[in-house]
Amino acid sequence: QSALTQPASVSGSPGQSITISCTGTSSDVGGYDYVSWYQQHPGKAPKLIIYDVNKWPSGVSNRFSGSKSGNTASLTISGLQAEDEADYYCCSYAGSNSVFGTGTKVTVL
Amino acid sequence: QVQLVESGGGVVQPGTSLRLSCAASGFTFSAYGMHWVRQAPGKGLEWVAVMSYDGSNKYYADSVRGRFTISRDISKNTLYLQMNSLRVEDTAMYYCAKEGFGVFYFDYWGQGTLVTVSS
Repeated sequence: QSALTQPASVSGSPGQSITISCTGTSSDVGGYDYVSWYQQHPGKAPKLIIYDVNKWPSGVSNRFSGSKSGNTASLTISGLQAEDEADYYCCSYAGSNSVFGTGTKVTVL
Repeated sequence: QVQLVESGGGVVQPGTSLRLSCAASGFTFSAYGMHWVRQAPGKGLEWVAVMSYDGSNKYYADSVRGRFTISRDISKNTLYLQMNSLRVEDTAMYYCAKEGFGVFYFDYWGQGTLVTVSS
């Protein structure tokens, strides 16, 4: 159950698009279309923003989009806004358990 | 609306036990899988355990298997995490999370309860 690999930090200017990668193995990300993404602001609980690789929960902005290729999933934030500054975590089903990514801090310049 | 409220955290010594509770409301508790996820101070999220919607399956992370037990009381709409043989590395904020309609994603989270294991 090794954590999925994410970049420690990603930054962008308001209005730009950024992409966060999430690399696992064929036992997790590559083996199932069950990748989810969570946004966490400091001192707050995580919030679901993408599930099943590329689906949006009700109420989540479509500026967030997800994709997957092989053992790597990606989250793209389009039209970056100040309120997008937060930590982001991917998560994958791994056959009767889940594994989270290492987390990425997004900074809006 | 869905609400999850954790309780039971505190400061304990290594080797002791603690039971966390998660009171659920706003949805049919017996129809959804429920999970525990933890976050050590300043660190990332770590999945801990799951109980399936019907209570028939329970799975654990390798780091807690044999020490932690997930359970629930449907009559009280409450999820539990019994934590035994606690270690310093179990220090974390513990969140309960409701599973969505699909597989192992978490659509609602509680605010968390802090467990500190220290001598």
